[in-house]
Amino acid sequence: DAGITQSPRHKVTETGTPVTLRCHQTENHRYMYWYRQDPGHGLRLIHYSYGVKDTDKGEVSDGYSVSRSKTEDFLLTLESATSSQTSVYFCAISESTRGVYEQYFGPGTRLTVT
Amino acid sequence: GESVGLHLPTLSVQEGDNSIINCAYSNSASDYFIWYKQESGKGPQFIIDIRSNMDKRQGQRVTVLLNKTVKHLSLQIAATQPGDSAVYFCAESKNTGNQFYFGTGTSLTVIP
Repeated sequence: DAGITQSPRHKVTETGTPVTLRCHQTENHRYMYWYRQDPGHGLRLIHYSYGVKDTDKGEVSDGYSVSRSKTEDFLLTLESATSSQTSVYFCAISESTRGVYEQYFGPGTRLTVT
Repeated sequence: GESVGLHLPTLSVQEGDNSIINCAYSNSASDYFIWYKQESGKGPQFIIDIRSNMDKRQGQRVTVLLNKTVKHLSLQIAATQPGDSAVYFCAESKNTGNQFYFGTGTSLTVIP
């Protein structure tokens, strides 16, 4: 998985509780991304980062926040989890290669909000 | 938002046959495309990419074709093997490629 780890790999939490997912890379890539994957929707971008402390919203950012204090770590936080946030979350990294940005994905985190 | 879709949600092929997976995209400004393979319980795996200044690119047993006129992308897998069984996604991006838009995926089943 291109030097990308995600933790935890599985989590069950209750509605209204805060949750933080961690993505860690050893590739020193500049760009990092958080996606969610749901049946019928494919992968949808939540937030991404283009450097330390530099982040931006994706297409489904409501209810999520991110932080990147180090190149290797990108955190996704659900401030108050809801059942609609039950999903599989993937982290991805990329770097410009030959002028394009090949994305490589982590193994995913399955989150269940009850 | 972007619209990337796949013509067929499922595809079954006999082992040894060639597979073709199709993808339609709606943004004519997209200039970079990637095909991913996702096996059950794993993250998407990069297969092959193509830039908009090309119409064909070949890898090991895979070929991607890009038809910008009709905004269509295809992935051809030669001599399909049981290990090719997975869900295949196309993704598109434009400009710097920082944001990708994914299709919903096609499930490929290889029949031994």
